[in-house]
Amino acid sequence: EVQLVESGGGLVQPGGSLRLSCAVSEFTSTRYWMSWVRQAPGKGLEWVANIKLDGSQRNYLDSVKDRFTISRDNAQTSVYLQMNNLRAEDTAVYYCARVTLFSGDFDFWGQGTLVTVSS
Amino acid sequence: AIQMTQSPSSLSASVGDRVTITCRASQDIGNDLGWYQQKPGKAPKLLIYIVSTLQSGVPSRFSGSGSGTDFTLTISSLQPEDFATYYCLQNYNYPKTFGQGTKVEIK
Repeated sequence: EVQLVESGGGLVQPGGSLRLSCAVSEFTSTRYWMSWVRQAPGKGLEWVANIKLDGSQRNYLDSVKDRFTISRDNAQTSVYLQMNNLRAEDTAVYYCARVTLFSGDFDFWGQGTLVTVSS
Repeated sequence: AIQMTQSPSSLSASVGDRVTITCRASQDIGNDLGWYQQKPGKAPKLLIYIVSTLQSGVPSRFSGSGSGTDFTLTISSLQPEDFATYYCLQNYNYPKTFGQGTKVEIK
């Protein structure tokens, strides 16, 4: 079964950086897209970014464009989210999710990693 | 960005009740809509994609309908494990946007 395992969350000061990782198992087809979705404490879900696993296409939420970068390793076994110039409003649980081949929906999710931006 | 508005924001229901949650898009999104269930402290789970297609393993008491701007998630007979928060998601264009969520609580 497909498994996604996130890591890299933690406490960081405003203006700081973090790199989140998502280890991907069971599938390596470059036809797939992967996304990051976040959820602020007590709030709803917010899509952040996605990448096609062949590395050819990326999309970002406007509020993170120029600060966050999504990438993957060449073996398509890991997806990353480099987060720079972090703000308090970036505080959230960050989920890695796979996009289905049939629609733009997310069929597999990781357990999430908490990012807290605070001084 | 396309705004997705769910209603109600919360509801109280009993086991066995029929429950309906609606999602309205701020513009036509065709059939690019999915529904998710999330329980406290857990990742969301895909229930339905392309408006009405049930994800593998999801019970048949869940169904979806609609097109264009108005969509509905129906639970035909609420079970104890269905108490959760439900979200719609539009995949029509970027940024992908979720509804604000509907919390289904025990009456």
